[in-house]
Amino acid sequence: KAGVTQTPRYLIKTRGQQVTLSCSPISGHRSVSWYQQTPGQGLQFLFEYFSETQRNKGNFPGRFSGRQFSNSRSEMNVSTLELGDSALYLCASSLAWSVYGYTFGSGTRLTVV
Amino acid sequence: SQQGEEDPQALSIQEGENATMNCSYKTSINNLQWYRQNSGRGLVHLILIRSNEREKHSGRLRVTLDTSKKSSSLLITASRAADTASYFCATDGKDRGSTLGRLYFGRGTQLTVWP
Repeated sequence: KAGVTQTPRYLIKTRGQQVTLSCSPISGHRSVSWYQQTPGQGLQFLFEYFSETQRNKGNFPGRFSGRQFSNSRSEMNVSTLELGDSALYLCASSLAWSVYGYTFGSGTRLTVV
Repeated sequence: SQQGEEDPQALSIQEGENATMNCSYKTSINNLQWYRQNSGRGLVHLILIRSNEREKHSGRLRVTLDTSKKSSSLLITASRAADTASYFCATDGKDRGSTLGRLYFGRGTQLTVWP
């Protein structure tokens, strides 16, 4: 079966711009989580969606937002980009929270210049 | 702060040797998971152990869990060069306010297996 697909794989943006990242979960998975990974902070939880509802949110500023569509695909948006937003953004999908483990996508490498 | 902490931060061994990584966490959990990440790529789920389990095996992987000490270990037997990666433990943080869909990761152990 197809895995979790994240697009694009790489992205270069300028400070102040906004960006939208996409995640297509494994078919049948209704939970989608997003993480930011940086060398300094490690893996940080952004938010989780289940059946189009945001159920949990990490400690990130309001510039970070997301949504989930009826087909479970999810997008995350970062507005007014800062240099510190440069990171690997990972999404993960699961059948049910935490019980079965998560399948991660290959990530989107965002570089802000 | 991070929930889990892996030890050691880096581990370098020869092919054929066993690799042991440890993880400590701070709060009660429902389960603990181990993931592998090859450089710059996504995480691959290796194994999940529930809080009422003490040991679990999957191929060359053996995971133990000691909830009284809030610690876990991952043993990779007969390591191969292809096992070179970062290994992360992750917990679901049972005691935290809202744990839905959220994993708490440690900083990871960088394992290098030399041919």
